[in-house]
Amino acid sequence: EVQLVESGGVVVQPGGSLRLSCAASGFTFDDYTMHWVRQAPGKGLEWVSLISWDGGSTYYADSVKGRFTISRDNSKNSLYLQMNSLRTEDTALYYCAKDTGEWYFQHWGQGTLVTVSS
Amino acid sequence: QSALTQPASVSGSPGQSITISCTGTSSDVGSYNLVSWYQQHPGKAPKLMIYEGSKRPSGVSNRFSGSKSGNTASLTISGLQAEDEADYYCCSYAGVGVVFGGGTKLTVL
Repeated sequence: EVQLVESGGVVVQPGGSLRLSCAASGFTFDDYTMHWVRQAPGKGLEWVSLISWDGGSTYYADSVKGRFTISRDNSKNSLYLQMNSLRTEDTALYYCAKDTGEWYFQHWGQGTLVTVSS
Repeated sequence: QSALTQPASVSGSPGQSITISCTGTSSDVGSYNLVSWYQQHPGKAPKLMIYEGSKRPSGVSNRFSGSKSGNTASLTISGLQAEDEADYYCCSYAGVGVVFGGGTKLTVL
């Protein structure tokens, strides 16, 4: 059974930094592109970033480009999101999601909540 | 990376059919047959309902169907049931990453 478990969400002040993690199990992690998707309270889904199976390609939404860095450690079956220069508008539930290979997500984690507030 | 356009809300009575539209551009919906649809109940993670425009994952009811015409994709739910009440999001490959719609709240009257 595929499992994705996010962690690392906390309350942080504007301008601060945070690293989210996603522990994957139940599938061959290094076969798949992985994504981060976020959802602000009461709002819709917003794609944040993706990383290819080998970490060789990364892409970001314009809203986080230059501030967030996605990475992975295939030896630990883990996905990460380093978040710097955080803004109040980054407050959201952050999901990691497994790409099936055709740009859709059949498996999601339960999310980890990041709150940016002074 | 502009969000796809969905109606904010739709409603229908049990047993009826409803359709949710998802309008993009020639850079996303119009260029690829890679639209997916997700159902999200309050406090839950999104659930995949349709992928590649019209395909259903195993376990998803055949009351759910998807289609596309030009830059607009659609999700149709037939035989509405109370448990279908949820938020629905479309998503399309956009050349670099994906883009989601703003979401549609389905109310079953």
